[in-house]
Amino acid sequence: SQTIHQWPATLVQPVGSPLSLECTVEGTSNPNLYWYRQAAGRGLQLLFYSVGIGQISSEVPQNLSASRPQDRQFILSSKKLLLSDSGFYLCAWTGTVKSYEQYFGPGTRLTVT
Amino acid sequence: GIQVEQSPPDLILQEGANSTLRCNFSDSVNNLQWFHQNPWGQLINLFYIPSGTKQNGRLSATTVATERYSLLYISSSQTTDSGVYFCAPRGYSTLTFGKGTMLLVSP
Repeated sequence: SQTIHQWPATLVQPVGSPLSLECTVEGTSNPNLYWYRQAAGRGLQLLFYSVGIGQISSEVPQNLSASRPQDRQFILSSKKLLLSDSGFYLCAWTGTVKSYEQYFGPGTRLTVT
Repeated sequence: GIQVEQSPPDLILQEGANSTLRCNFSDSVNNLQWFHQNPWGQLINLFYIPSGTKQNGRLSATTVATERYSLLYISSSQTTDSGVYFCAPRGYSTLTFGKGTMLLVSP
């Protein structure tokens, strides 16, 4: 069966520091991968998605970037964090053959101080 | 992009009550998912339902794609049903999330 991992689970970082969040998927190949952010107040905002290694689509201009160095690894980064980057970051995957049902990881709670 | 509207935004129920959550969307979609976000933040898949009706225990969902809405029914609610329910239709390549319905079931 497929599983999705995210780490760290929680993170407290000062303004101006770098960021690296990692997401890995097991039990599937060539998934579509997604990064979302959920700020206080519930809505999920799609940040990036990837349909293959090195292929990244950005949904909103911002202080963040994403990379996909391996088929089942998706990384969210920032060179200098802003206070507004605080939030709950969720990684997700979908298959590309039988179904496009999307599954989410456990998330990383980021607080920028 | 697709616009998604969920109603009601908040709902308080007594344990054992039934409820219906609604999701309206603005454009044709390829499929639609319902999720439950528990108090720890985990998004749990409830239904993958581009059209028709599906049931899973006390929960069921109906999507009428031609009329651009979906409904989630919760029967005999339990305190563990508390959390936020999201509807997310899929357009060409990505899901678009509504703002959710926050449900509180009191004992």
